[in-house]
Amino acid sequence: AQSVTQLDSHVSVSEGTPVLLRCNYSSSYSPSLFWYVQHPNKGLQLLLKYTSAATLVKGINGFEAEFKKSETSFHLTKPSAHMSDAAEYFCVVSRADSNYKLTFGKGTLLTVNP
Amino acid sequence: DSGVTQTPKHLITATGQRVTLRCSPRSGDLSVYWYQQSLDQGLQFLIQYYNGEERAKGNILERFSAQQFPDLHSELNLSSLELGDSALYFCASKGSSETQYFGPGTRLLVL
Repeated sequence: AQSVTQLDSHVSVSEGTPVLLRCNYSSSYSPSLFWYVQHPNKGLQLLLKYTSAATLVKGINGFEAEFKKSETSFHLTKPSAHMSDAAEYFCVVSRADSNYKLTFGKGTLLTVNP
Repeated sequence: DSGVTQTPKHLITATGQRVTLRCSPRSGDLSVYWYQQSLDQGLQFLIQYYNGEERAKGNILERFSAQQFPDLHSELNLSSLELGDSALYFCASKGSSETQYFGPGTRLLVL
């Protein structure tokens, strides 16, 4: 079985300050991990993915995430928040032996204050 | 633009009715996945097709069914609709990598 826990349902930051969105995963097999972003009334866009290569993964729009097996974590960070980053972020896990179906966390709503 | 298209964008219907949602995957992708996003359940995997064959099932109700056609587009059929079926329905396509690319979704409202 596989599961994802996003530790914060809502994170609020000021523009220009760092962003940290936390995610822990559970998987009995080597997982692939993803972060997707959903802007209001929009679809899901892939931010970045980890698939057993480098543990520090760089994505679009300045986001990055680090895979830490010992902590079963895959936290998403960005050095400096922009107003356009305001959206809902989903941490997602999948495995080859489950046909790559995606298991989503409950999401973290990021608010960016001017 | 992910290259995945979904129609219609919005659908309003009444309880007890049947609707069909359509998805066209990215060119060359053989896999299509369907997901439901609702306020109470979040994002849930429903069903997967690969090159016309059902490959995996998730939390899909018996009232719901899907198929994938020879041209690789897929349809999700929802019947005997209930108020609780109101949700955003996404399809995603996948090629040879692990990444799934999502369509813009169909927002279903059951009145």
